[in-house]
Amino acid sequence: DAKTTQPTSMDCAEGRAANLPCNHSTISGNEYVYWYRQIHSQGPQYIIHGLKNNETNEMASLIITEDRKSSTLILPHATLRDTAVYYCIVSYGQNFVFGPGTRLSVLP
Amino acid sequence: EAGVTQFPSHSVIEKGQTVTLRCDPISGHDNLYWYRRVMGKEIKFLLHFVKESKQDESGMPNNRFLAERTGGTYSTLKVQPAELEDSGVYFCASSQVSRRNTEAFFGQGTRLTVV
Repeated sequence: DAKTTQPTSMDCAEGRAANLPCNHSTISGNEYVYWYRQIHSQGPQYIIHGLKNNETNEMASLIITEDRKSSTLILPHATLRDTAVYYCIVSYGQNFVFGPGTRLSVLP
Repeated sequence: EAGVTQFPSHSVIEKGQTVTLRCDPISGHDNLYWYRRVMGKEIKFLLHFVKESKQDESGMPNNRFLAERTGGTYSTLKVQPAELEDSGVYFCASSQVSRRNTEAFFGQGTRLTVV
């Protein structure tokens, strides 16, 4: 079973920031937080990952709480092409356990 | 640089037949993973290669599935004989072995339909 809990779905207005929460209260000390997304039936696309510090790249920002029991993925300016299922995964290594994810709909 | 490539993109076979899926990882990536999503379920891990060695095959559903990675380059996943419940999308991913907790990149998947 996945070690993460995410909302089933979320909506976001185009151009606004999308904030996707994830709970992982049983995360182990050496496990990283990974975020992937899947658009339609394409392969999962890597977004970002981190251990305990906040991370930012060209796609998104990852905010991890100090106790590491939860995190938030931030898409700063959502576009229609960001509509997808977003997966939060905690893992040491890449033998990922995927949950159902959050279906993000970006609305015009 | 080419990404992870999977072939074929679609395959339709009859129950009892054999199908072989192929995955070409990103050049230089020694870690190779197979995952699959069957209808209505989440994406599930199948197995992990480091170069040509099977590091973890705990997710393989049964002995009808055989994965190989001869020479540590591309990998094949053979299903023999195929059953209806094997229908789904099979994904391959690769990553650098020198950095355990680095990003893994996925291919576009092979959609397998067993009729």
